[in-house]
Amino acid sequence: SQQGEEDPQALSIQEGENATMNCSYKTSINNLQWYRQNSGRGLVHLILIRSNEREKHSGRLRVTLDTSKKSSSLLITASRAADTASYFCAPTSGTYKYIFGTGTRLKVLA
Amino acid sequence: GAVVSQHPSWVICKSGTSVKIECRSLDFQATTMFWYRQFPKQSLMLMATSNEGSKATYEQGVEKDKFLINHASLTLSTLTVTSAHPEDSSFYICSARVTAGEAFFGQGTRLTVV
Repeated sequence: SQQGEEDPQALSIQEGENATMNCSYKTSINNLQWYRQNSGRGLVHLILIRSNEREKHSGRLRVTLDTSKKSSSLLITASRAADTASYFCAPTSGTYKYIFGTGTRLKVLA
Repeated sequence: GAVVSQHPSWVICKSGTSVKIECRSLDFQATTMFWYRQFPKQSLMLMATSNEGSKATYEQGVEKDKFLINHASLTLSTLTVTSAHPEDSSFYICSARVTAGEAFFGQGTRLTVV
């Protein structure tokens, strides 16, 4: 198992702007997943990107993966106040444990 | 995505009593379930991993006699906090995973021990 580290720790933007957060990890992976957590709630699965994929889209979400740099980014376009949450990445590599970093706390101001 | 139901969503108990939290995968069979604990404004801390029909594997520093985990079926895992104390007050989250697939999370249980 390995831990993803999200960056920045906190991000504050205006509604309508794009939000970008990054994830770095240390060893090779099979896939990487992004999750969202609203305050006081469980995690919501956003998107999974496999190690042989470089980019994936889902609605306003765009995820990239650079295995050579061991990093991934999550872009939320045209952000809304409802996107305010903490975002976590979960790199997985054969073992099945998800070890989470501290996440990126996104605040979208209306 | 698949649905994982966690119950109860919140519970208040007296110090010294035990509390059971249930985690169910509603529309899939979960070969593995995980239990996490989260303090305010902090990340999720993995407590243990459970596979159906076998003993749970606890992370370092987690007392297995304090946090009893049972994974009796492919759709149900329970976490029992025994002899709860105020320091056990926290947000507990379970997740369920199909082999090599995504992990899906319950909505969490807020435990307050008074």
